[in-house]
Amino acid sequence: DQQVKQNSPSLSVQEGRISILNCDYTNSMFDYFLWYKKYPAEGPTFLISISSIKDKNEDGRFTVFLNKSAKHLSLHIVPSQPGDSAVYFCAASAIRTAGNKLTFGGGTRVLVKP
Amino acid sequence: DVKVTQSSRYLVKRTGEKVFLECVQDMDHENMFWYRQDPGLGLRLIYFSYDVKMKEKGDIPEGYSVSREKKERFSLILESASTNQTSMYLCASSQPQGANTGELFFGEGSRLTVL
Repeated sequence: DQQVKQNSPSLSVQEGRISILNCDYTNSMFDYFLWYKKYPAEGPTFLISISSIKDKNEDGRFTVFLNKSAKHLSLHIVPSQPGDSAVYFCAASAIRTAGNKLTFGGGTRVLVKP
Repeated sequence: DVKVTQSSRYLVKRTGEKVFLECVQDMDHENMFWYRQDPGLGLRLIYFSYDVKMKEKGDIPEGYSVSREKKERFSLILESASTNQTSMYLCASSQPQGANTGELFFGEGSRLTVL
């Protein structure tokens, strides 16, 4: 049973518009959440993270929102750029109990059209 | 910059062969991980290690083993490769719990095809 789910396998958006990626989790022990970005033939790279004590974290064009009661987080990319075209993985960790072991979602492939 | 290097980018093996995937990191990280990536399933943890000589099973350890004889090196072993082990294998490392909040540094991946 997947503890972290990304229900949208793909997303297409026009350059300059907002990309919204969603992620749901089931394990209430998760207390830290991360987004990774992956280009073809490369390893994932860390994008942004959020602790469960916060509900929002912003870094430039990227903002992550956390709704603990709904066990839901989202990544907003504004404005979207062609270089943002990649696969995005949501990941979660129970830092207090499981150290740095991350559980990943299935990924969302984003295509930003010029 | 953190560097995680996986020895082989592409491998083609036959069913029943023994396969070694090597990973080396240069940041003196205590933690090392092996994941496999499959379409729609994301990254699934195979094995991880918090220290030299230590190993723990992840979510899908069946058919795999690991070796960590030195801090910087973490090897994944497929004792007898099978076609369902065709996948992208990703190695990662991180600082220990408490030193950071979970960021993993990944290698570029090893794409294994088992015929």
